[in-house]
Amino acid sequence: DVKVTQSSRYLVKRTGEKVFLECVQDMDHENMFWYRQDPGLGLRLIYFSYDVKMKEKGDIPEGYSVSREKKERFSLILESASTNQTSMYLCASSKQGAEQPQHFGDGTRLSIL
Amino acid sequence: TQLLEQSPQFLSIQEGENLTVYCNSSSVFSSLQWYRQEPGEGPVLLVTVVTGGEVKKLKRLTFQFGDARKDSSLHITAAQPGDTGLYLCARHTSGGYNKLIFGAGTRLAVHP
Repeated sequence: DVKVTQSSRYLVKRTGEKVFLECVQDMDHENMFWYRQDPGLGLRLIYFSYDVKMKEKGDIPEGYSVSREKKERFSLILESASTNQTSMYLCASSKQGAEQPQHFGDGTRLSIL
Repeated sequence: TQLLEQSPQFLSIQEGENLTVYCNSSSVFSSLQWYRQEPGEGPVLLVTVVTGGEVKKLKRLTFQFGDARKDSSLHITAAQPGDTGLYLCARHTSGGYNKLIFGAGTRLAVHP
């Protein structure tokens, strides 16, 4: 089974802090994704990566950056955390190719105080 | 638009009841995926439907893809408390990289 592991289930940080969310997958997937999930809004794509060191903006990249130095690891960075970034963050990975399923981690619930 | 609209937004039923949830779009899509997200976990793929008019069954769950490939439905027969969760539909975007657009989901609660 594919395993996508997010480093923290719960995280509390303060406004203005730099925050790192880590995600690791063990199935050699090319694609990795970061979403945030808010009530009534579904999952919104922040950034994705289709190869090592390659990244593309999703629908809501403002205030975030990402890093993919190794194929199995995809990091989401909040450069200067703000209260409106309080949310559930989900990482996913998938193979290349049409209509491949995405495999998700269990999420990190981030609170910015 | 590539938006996916899901209805109803919330559904609260008793064990043993049947239910249907819907996923609609104004544009045609090549395929549709349904995911279920249980409390405290990430979404998990249930099924992918590809062909217009296609019907797929997964135990008590029946998935249908509309003939025009603009809509899909999920029917659950004799719902169980274990069916409780958030049901999300998703479609792939154009441009490759296996990107998905998700609907906002239907939150289902099945009470014993």
